[in-house]
Amino acid sequence: EVQLVESGGGLVQPGGSLRLACAASGFTFRTHYMGWVRQSPGRGLEWVANIKPDGSLGHYVDSLKGRFTISRDNAKDSAYLQMNSLRAEDTATYYCVRWGYDYAVDVWGQGTTVTVSS
Amino acid sequence: QTVVTQEPSFSVSPGGTVTLTCGLSSGSVSSSSYPSWYQQTPGQVPRTLIYTTNSRAPGVPDRFSGSIVGNKAALTITGAQADDESDYYCLVFVGGSFVFGPGTKVTVL
Repeated sequence: EVQLVESGGGLVQPGGSLRLACAASGFTFRTHYMGWVRQSPGRGLEWVANIKPDGSLGHYVDSLKGRFTISRDNAKDSAYLQMNSLRAEDTATYYCVRWGYDYAVDVWGQGTTVTVSS
Repeated sequence: QTVVTQEPSFSVSPGGTVTLTCGLSSGSVSSSSYPSWYQQTPGQVPRTLIYTTNSRAPGVPDRFSGSIVGNKAALTITGAQADDESDYYCLVFVGGSFVFGPGTKVTVL
């Protein structure tokens, strides 16, 4: 069964950092683009970042460039999202996703919740 | 900055047909925008319905179809059922980035 399991969410103070992890199973991880999508409470979906199968290039929504970094470890079938200088508006559920179709998501994780508050 | 537009809400009768659209504040959505559609019920993980304009994801009923209508992407639900009551989001690739629309809330009653 294809599965993505996120971890690392929690409560963090404004200005703090958090690293999310996504453990993949049931497919050949190293051949797929991976990414993160977030959803603030009561709001819509927002694409955050993607990373190429070999990890050589990350692609980000403009508003998050410089604060968030996506990475992956193909040996561990895992993707990561390093989030720095967190703000209240970063409070959201963060979904790990697989880009299994051309320019579209085919697999979603269950999500991990990040709350930025003092 | 490109803004993706969707109708805020739609109401459809059981067995009826509804077409949701996905446009751009400036420009057109075409197949080169690789539009895809996602369904989300409250508290649940999004589900992929349609990718690359009109390809249905595995397990998606054929009452869901995607197309380009004029300068917008469209998702049509033909023969709506009660469990189609959800939020529907489109996603497009434009200007080198991915952008979700704000979502359309579909009510079946």
